[in-house]
Amino acid sequence: AQSVTQPDIHITVSEGASLELRCNYSYGATPYLFWYVQSPGQGLQLLLKYFSGDTLVQGIKGFEAEFKRSQSSFNLRKPSVHWSDAAEYFCAVGATGFQKLVFGTGTRLLVSP
Amino acid sequence: DGGITQSPKYLFRKEGQNVTLSCEQNLNHDAMYWYRQDPGQGLRLIYYSQIVNDFQKGDIAEGYSVSREKKESFPLTVTSAQKNPTAFYLCASSSRPGTRTDEAFFGQGTRLTVV
Repeated sequence: AQSVTQPDIHITVSEGASLELRCNYSYGATPYLFWYVQSPGQGLQLLLKYFSGDTLVQGIKGFEAEFKRSQSSFNLRKPSVHWSDAAEYFCAVGATGFQKLVFGTGTRLLVSP
Repeated sequence: DGGITQSPKYLFRKEGQNVTLSCEQNLNHDAMYWYRQDPGQGLRLIYYSQIVNDFQKGDIAEGYSVSREKKESFPLTVTSAQKNPTAFYLCASSSRPGTRTDEAFFGQGTRLTVV
């Protein structure tokens, strides 16, 4: 069965510093992978997704993620964090269809001045 | 603007009462989903529907019921059988269920509190 691990529950980053959020997955075949962001009390917004092809995926708000099959990882990165990036970030892995998507437990990003 | 509307944003229920959460979408999406979110547990799938008049149980369907009489609407009823209903509920829809290019869009959520 597929699974997703986000090992960091909380991360604090200074504004302007770089960010990397970790995501490791377990899945037997080539997965399709997502990163979503959630502001407090709000729904989830899609940041980026990977299905196939180029392993470096560009998303919205200056985020990118790299699929590394050998490490079963799909880490999210941003070169310079803004205070408005403070939110909770969810990684998800799926097979064939959204109803099969498995979400990680999320990483809460705090941005310090 | 196209999107998914969940109402109400906050809902209070007395123990033993059923309550219905509304989810409406005008994206012309075939599939709709209900998730429950608890702190530290991520999202868990309650029910999903890929076409009108058809729906399937997700991972935590006990104590919940749904209907899909219209393509635009997928209401969720939290019944008195749900032992711990206090949570944040999210509705989502997607346009190409069952394909690798499927992508979901989420509503703003309903926070249900049992008092």
